[in-house]
Amino acid sequence: AQKITQTQPGMFVQEKEAVTLDCTYDTSDPSYGLFWYKQPSSGEMIFLIYQGSYDQQNATEGRYSLNFQKARKSANLVISASQLGDSAMYFCAMRATTNAGKSTFGDGTTLTVKP
Amino acid sequence: DGGITQSPKYLFRKEGQNVTLSCEQNLNHDAMYWYRQDPGQGLRLIYYSQIVNDFQKGDIAEGYSVSREKKESFPLTVTSAQKNPTAFYLCASSTMTGPQPQHFGDGTRLSIL
Repeated sequence: AQKITQTQPGMFVQEKEAVTLDCTYDTSDPSYGLFWYKQPSSGEMIFLIYQGSYDQQNATEGRYSLNFQKARKSANLVISASQLGDSAMYFCAMRATTNAGKSTFGDGTTLTVKP
Repeated sequence: DGGITQSPKYLFRKEGQNVTLSCEQNLNHDAMYWYRQDPGQGLRLIYYSQIVNDFQKGDIAEGYSVSREKKESFPLTVTSAQKNPTAFYLCASSTMTGPQPQHFGDGTRLSIL
């Protein structure tokens, strides 16, 4: 069974500062992908960044980076230079290659960026 | 542009009524999924389909039904047996090969009249 844990229900960050959103996972599958999605108040799910279990380097996409620590089973999202538009709910998700394509989602973290 | 279209954006259901939520994708993805999201909560899987004419129950399938007659379409019916249907429903699709991300539609908000 797969499990994603996001322990921060809500986070606050000052505009232009960096913030880290925590995510830990559990799986027995050796091959999996880790994803972060952003959900603004309008509801759509926006894919942000992906990390493969065999990737040697941490993924980066613009202001987003994923701090992947495989031994600790953590995949934290780092947002640099926060902007007001970053205020949203953020979900960590995992998809194992042997799990029929299904993804497992965490409960999410609500990020509020303060001006 | 390729993507997933969900309709309607808002839907109201009367007591004892079945309603159907539409989901169409033009991404040529084999797999499609339906999720339910309650306010402030994460996504829970209702049903998923990996191939036409086949689908499997997710974690909260009771009170819901689906069909997959075409690769592009995966409608969800919320039946009268679903006693608490008020939620935000998200449809997603993905390839079956490799750990690729799921692509999501914009969602349907269902409320009880």
